[in-house]
Amino acid sequence: AQSVTQLDSQVPVFEEAPVELRCNYSSSVSVYLFWYVQYPNQGLQLLLKYLSGSTLVKGINGFEAEFNKSQTSFHLRKPSVHISDTAEYFCAAYSGNTPLVFGKGTRLSVIA
Amino acid sequence: EPEVTQTPSHQVTQMGQEVILRCVPISNHLYFYWYRQILGQKVEFLVSFYNNEISEKSEIFDDQFSVERPDGSNFTLKIRSTKLEDSAMYFCASSSRLRNTGELFFGEGSRLTVL
Repeated sequence: AQSVTQLDSQVPVFEEAPVELRCNYSSSVSVYLFWYVQYPNQGLQLLLKYLSGSTLVKGINGFEAEFNKSQTSFHLRKPSVHISDTAEYFCAAYSGNTPLVFGKGTRLSVIA
Repeated sequence: EPEVTQTPSHQVTQMGQEVILRCVPISNHLYFYWYRQILGQKVEFLVSFYNNEISEKSEIFDDQFSVERPDGSNFTLKIRSTKLEDSAMYFCASSSRLRNTGELFFGEGSRLTVL
């Protein structure tokens, strides 16, 4: 069965600094990968997705992620974060035979 | 832009009471899901629903839970007799599955607090 690992439960970072949130998935023949963001007291919003094609995926709010098949990773990056990026970020994977599976989430705290 | 809507946004109930959480999926979507998130923990799959029947359910989805599509628009999750550990955020999601990529569209969630 598909599994998703987010190694960092919390990531504090200063405003305007770069950030990387790590995500690894269990190996699969074909996998679709997603990052969702949850702002305080809100629902899950799709940030970006990898379905096929270019391994570098750009999403909303300046975020991007790179699909690395050999390392089974899909790390999320932003070159310069803002206070408004403070949220919980969830990596999720789908491989066709189980429902969408989420990681435990990473809480990004941007410090002024 | 079409969206999934959920009601109520927050419900407080006493242990042992029945709770119904409601969802209106995106209108042309055919697949419906419930996920839950206990405070501070991961988002967990509960159940998927297609063509008026459950297509898959997790071990969390025991006999206390049921889902229903009572009309052409609503999709409900019922918890028959709530327990303290049912306190969580419950997310409804839908998909069209035109391309089976697993992409789900989530609602804003219903926070259930069981006292």
